[in-house]
Amino acid sequence: KNQVEQSPQSLIILEGKNCTLQCNYTVSPFSNLRWYKQDTGRGPVSLTIMTFSENTKSNGRYTATLDADTKQSSLHITASQLSDSASYICVVSPWGRGGSYIPTFGRGTSLIVHP
Amino acid sequence: EPEVTQTPSHQVTQMGQEVILRCVPISNHLYFYWYRQILGQKVEFLVSFYNNEISEKSEIFDDQFSVERPDGSNFTLKIRSTKLEDSAMYFCASSEYLAREYFGPGTRLTVT
Repeated sequence: KNQVEQSPQSLIILEGKNCTLQCNYTVSPFSNLRWYKQDTGRGPVSLTIMTFSENTKSNGRYTATLDADTKQSSLHITASQLSDSASYICVVSPWGRGGSYIPTFGRGTSLIVHP
Repeated sequence: EPEVTQTPSHQVTQMGQEVILRCVPISNHLYFYWYRQILGQKVEFLVSFYNNEISEKSEIFDDQFSVERPDGSNFTLKIRSTKLEDSAMYFCASSEYLAREYFGPGTRLTVT
C-alpha cells in the first residue's frame, strides 16, 4: 500500500530561525513528489515539484530535497516568517503503466512561527 | 496569479439530498481534479478529468459521485444522496500536463 509519512507532526520555531520538515514514502513506481503549503481553511498552494532525476528544488526561502534511493524528501525553510505558519504537505504520485496517477498525501506538518 | 474559483464557499444540506459543487478552473488548463479533506484529516484524491472523461478515480469516488464539464468553463462535482460522512472540505484543482496544480479555496459541505 502506498504511504507517505511526515515528521514532525508539529513544530514551533521562532521567527527568523530555519527548520527542516521530513517526508518518507513507499509509493512505487515513483513519478513525482510535491510539497504544498496549506493555510487553515484554504486550499493547498504548490511550493515545489520534483521528479525522479531531481534531487533539489528551490522556491524562494523554500528548498526541497529528494533521495529517490532511500525514498526520503525534506523541505527546508530559511529565515522563517510569521506568514510561514501553516501546514506543509508532502504528496507523492506513482507512475503506472498506462499513465495511472493517484497521488498519496501525507498528513502534513503543522508549523507555528512565533515572534 | 491565475486562480481557481469554487462556489458555494459553504453548503449545508440534509442527509439524502443531492448537491452540486461548482468550480471554474484556470482557463488554459486541461486537467481537472477534485479532492476532499475531512476536518482534521489529510487531503484525499477523488478524481481526475481530462478530455471530457475521467482519467483516474479513487476508491472513494463510487457511484454516489459524478463529475461533469457542462460548458467550456465550469467543472462540477455531484454528490447524490448525501451521507453524514460526506461532510468535508471539497477542493477543485486544475493544471497543465504534469505541472503545478492550482487549488481553489474549497467548498465546505455540511450534511445534517
